[in-house]
Amino acid sequence: KQEVTQIPAALSVPEGENLVLNCSFTDSAIYNLQWFRQDPGKGLTSLLLIQSSQREQTSGRLNASLDKSSGRSTLYIAASQPGDSATYLCAVTDSWGKLQFGAGTQVVVTP
Amino acid sequence: SAVISQKPSRDICQRGTSLTIQCQVDSQVTMMFWYRQQPGQSLTLIATANQGSEATYESGFVIDKFPISRPNLTFSTLTVSNMSPEDSSIYLCSVRSGQRQETQYFGPGTRLLVL
Repeated sequence: KQEVTQIPAALSVPEGENLVLNCSFTDSAIYNLQWFRQDPGKGLTSLLLIQSSQREQTSGRLNASLDKSSGRSTLYIAASQPGDSATYLCAVTDSWGKLQFGAGTQVVVTP
Repeated sequence: SAVISQKPSRDICQRGTSLTIQCQVDSQVTMMFWYRQQPGQSLTLIATANQGSEATYESGFVIDKFPISRPNLTFSTLTVSNMSPEDSSIYLCSVRSGQRQETQYFGPGTRLLVL
């Protein structure tokens, strides 16, 4: 059974610092991996999707890497801003086409 | 992309009652997904709803407790039946969209509190 773990569970950084969020999964037979952002009362927003054949994806200040063989993904957010405060979730699409989510990392960026 | 709306956004219910949550998508989609997010936990898939067929439920979820309707390609409902305080959660509707139907989009969620 696929298990997705995110470390740390919570993170607080001053504005301007870079954020590093980690995600690990136990079964490397994934179809893709997605990073989401969750804001209270606003559901989830898809940030990046990495195919299993890719090593990384970039969108603006966000960069996500994927090492499928070791079961790890990292989300980097450069020059953090208070507006980046949210919970970040990673999810893998397994061989059945279903999303398996991690528990999330709650991020607070202080001005 | 897909824009998803849910009603109600939140509700407080008494145990033993039922609540129906509506999900509306701005485009036609084949599959719609219902998730539950219990307090402090991650998302768990309840069921997958296909138009014109019965929903497929995940282990631990049954149709009698969570009946789902899917009358057309843009709409679905999830009912939480005979509620207990353990059903207090956020319920989210989701669809896949995009060129290869891989990016998953979520509604804003319905925050349910059962007393």
